[in-house]
Amino acid sequence: DTGVSQNPRHKITKRGQNVTFRCDPISEHNRLYWYRQTLGQGPEFLTYFQNEAQLEKSRLLSDRFSAERPKGSFSTLEIQRTEQGDSAMYLCASTRAGRGWTGGAYNGYTFGSGTRLTVV
Amino acid sequence: KQEVTQIPAALSVPEGENLVLNCSFTDSAIYNLQWFRQDPGKGLTSLLLIQSSQREQTSGRLNASLDKSSGRSTLYIAASQPGDSATYLCAVSGSTGGFKTIFGAGTRLFVKA
Repeated sequence: DTGVSQNPRHKITKRGQNVTFRCDPISEHNRLYWYRQTLGQGPEFLTYFQNEAQLEKSRLLSDRFSAERPKGSFSTLEIQRTEQGDSAMYLCASTRAGRGWTGGAYNGYTFGSGTRLTVV
Repeated sequence: KQEVTQIPAALSVPEGENLVLNCSFTDSAIYNLQWFRQDPGKGLTSLLLIQSSQREQTSGRLNASLDKSSGRSTLYIAASQPGDSATYLCAVSGSTGGFKTIFGAGTRLFVKA
């Protein structure tokens, strides 16, 4: 297993275009998280999945954002009608949580290398 | 609402110095605390994970302590090297329902050769 993989590494897009990012978590990890990080700040939570179920979404996730994890394996994050304020590093992380556990990442996170989005 | 603060925001030290990075959090009801390293433009690399029942964890030249009751953690780096230059992030994970993992803004470390 090569860890958490994110593609693409960089994306430059024009304002108003749609973009989609992909995250492949560690195979035995049932939880997958998406974060956004802007320059000089720590990552901010966007959403997370336990298997294929999206269990929580941040208020940061406007209706232009949608995330899926259709088979409980890889996940996609789509941003529609991108705005310059969407420019950020989008990070994916995964962890393994036990059945019924509803707390945070009790075994800690493994992060991918991120996708850097620039909206021009 | 959990808030995580890291002090200092930036630090520059000569090679060989021992140094301490500080992290404080407002809600002591945490399950664990994790320290990460982030190089410019890269993802996060986990350094140390401390469960709430533990007081410290060590890995090589790194030692992290946790005082849950006072809401503090420190990351101690011994004999710093230029390769340690990076941003160090602290994150706390909640113990009760739903998602509650909150990150600090990080300490940017520069170790001069």
